[in-house]
Amino acid sequence: EPEVTQTPSHQVTQMGQEVILRCVPISNHLYFYWYRQILGQKVEFLVSFYNNEISEKSEIFDDQFSVERPDGSNFTLKIRSTKLEDSAMYFCASRQPTVSSYEQYFGPGTRLTVT
Amino acid sequence: AQKITQTQPGMFVQEKEAVTLDCTYDTSDQSYGLFWYKQPSSGEMIFLIYQGSYDEQNATEGRYSLNFQKARKSANLVISASQLGDSAMYFCAMREIQGYSTLTFGKGTMLLVSP
Repeated sequence: EPEVTQTPSHQVTQMGQEVILRCVPISNHLYFYWYRQILGQKVEFLVSFYNNEISEKSEIFDDQFSVERPDGSNFTLKIRSTKLEDSAMYFCASRQPTVSSYEQYFGPGTRLTVT
Repeated sequence: AQKITQTQPGMFVQEKEAVTLDCTYDTSDQSYGLFWYKQPSSGEMIFLIYQGSYDEQNATEGRYSLNFQKARKSANLVISASQLGDSAMYFCAMREIQGYSTLTFGKGTMLLVSP
């Protein structure tokens, strides 16, 4: 069964460093999402991406964040200058392009620890 | 704005018993979808069940059923015949039918199943 994959599973970085989180969505999906979950809290929407551009973003997704689909398979989230409060689990999700398809398939997550 | 409320931070149930996890929502949209996701201790998000706002029948998926009461704006998850493997965090989420299907999550309920 096709699945969303994410690398790395765990990333430790120092405050102020740039990190890139990588996701490979399911191949025939066209809508892509990043969500964040701070430890012990709810999952929060960051950004959605469709047709090679950001379609929606939340207040969390400020200028420090960017997303890119550099090729036909990868979908990346970049944090330019990490802060302690960026420590969280980051989930990538993807969805089929049809109106009737509702389910977002989540990847296993990348745990980001900023020290 | 959409809002999801899960009032039970934790629930306990004995193996083989049924359990109901509460979820209420608030939206001004006429069309929306409601989801339940399971998050085991390993961290991944597992889709369980979906209910569309115009679906007349309650959704069921194996041991999971969604008790949808539109007038009360509630979408409770019922797990029948609980198993030890059901111990996990459970999140209720909602999306708009229009737009890019961003999910709004509740804070979650931790379910512990005892032998």
